[in-house]
Parts: sequence; structure tokens; C-alpha cells
Amino acid sequence: KAGVTQTPRYLIKTRGQQVTLSCSPISGHRSVSWYQQTPGQGLQFLFEYFSETQRNKGNFPGRFSGRQFSNSRSEMNVSTLELGDSALYLCASSLAARGRQNTGELFFGEGSRLTVL
Amino acid sequence: AQSVSQHNHHVILSEAASLELGCNYSYGGTVNLFWYVQYPGQHLQLLLKYFSGDPLVKGIKGFEAEFIKSKFSFNLRKPSVQWSDTAEYFCAAQSYNTDKLIFGTGTRLQVFP
Repeated sequence: KAGVTQTPRYLIKTRGQQVTLSCSPISGHRSVSWYQQTPGQGLQFLFEYFSETQRNKGNFPGRFSGRQFSNSRSEMNVSTLELGDSALYLCASSLAARGRQNTGELFFGEGSRLTVL
Repeated sequence: AQSVSQHNHHVILSEAASLELGCNYSYGGTVNLFWYVQYPGQHLQLLLKYFSGDPLVKGIKGFEAEFIKSKFSFNLRKPSVQWSDTAEYFCAAQSYNTDKLIFGTGTRLQVFP
């Protein structure tokens, strides 16, 4: 069973540009979550999509957006890049049944490392 | 707001030493609790989880964690660490109501032979 696939793995952008990151979840997983990982800050929750709908959202500015397609693949976009956006962006998928049926386990990809110059 | 605190940012141990990493969560409702591990150069993976029942849960590689509801804590323990346990460890809490999974800032563990 293939794992979570994120593309691109590495990218370099300059301030003011925009970037789109892609995530393909494990087959059958309907939930995709995005996290930003930086040294000292840990994993900061960006948003979660389930069946093409944003179900949860973190405390990031509107420059950070995402979407999910009917095949559960997800993209996140960051517009008007700032130096502080340099980070490892992690995607995670899960079966994500609600409440007590929710196993809660996330399966992570290897991440997309974004450097903003 | 839901939050997770990990008090130990960097822990250095010798092999065979005992390990305890602290984790406290802040949330008034029912939560599921997790420990994830990230070995050098690898992706995050689940170490163990607590949903309900016995507050002492056992995970992979000899790790265990104890849920103490009165202290809002879910500390990770291992009686005797190995060099291969060198990694970053993340505690996480998931709200029953929203399914939102929030992580702590992580603890970097270095084990020297």
C-alpha cells in the first residue's frame, strides 16, 4: 500500500512569490491535514480537509489556503511568500471517521521543504 | 483554545538510562492522546495512542505512556533507552468534538552509547 506522497520535496522561492504544494493520501483515506514544521515551533496545524470540505482550520493568515479534490488529493497554496514561511510542510492522511470511530492515527508524508529567499 | 505543552525541549541520555518526557494538554472536553516519533531523515510515525480504558498504554519499541486525567498529562516513558531511540518525539491531542489534532513543540532526544 503506497504511503502519503508529497510533491515537490524541495523548492526555493523568493519573497512575494506564491507556491502550491501537492499531497496524495493513502488510498481510501478521505481526510488530509496540513502542518507547518519549524525548529522550536514543532508542528503547527494549518487545516484539515475531509470529502472536499475544510473541516478544521488553524491560526494562519489568509495567505495560506488549501483545497481537496474528489479523489482526496489535496493542495495547499501560500501566496505573497515571506521569509518566515520557510519550513517543512507536512501532509498527513487518515481514515477519519467521526468521534469514537475515529482511530485518530495520521499517516505522514515526507514533507515539502520550502525555502524563501 | 486547545494546546499541548512539552516541557523538555532537548534531552541527552546515555544508553540504558531511563526516559520520561513530559506532555500536558489544555482542553476541557474529551481528547484522544498520541505520541509520534520522527527518526532522523524519516517521516513522523505513531508511537502509541490513548483513547479510553487502561490509562497505561504500551507502544512500539518498549515505550509506554500514562494518562493522568487530573493532571491533564500524558507522559512518555521507557525504562532503558537505546542509541536507536535518538529522534524527535511529539505529543498530540485530538478533540473528540472537532477531530482537530494539535501537536506539542517536540522533544529532541539524543542517546549516546
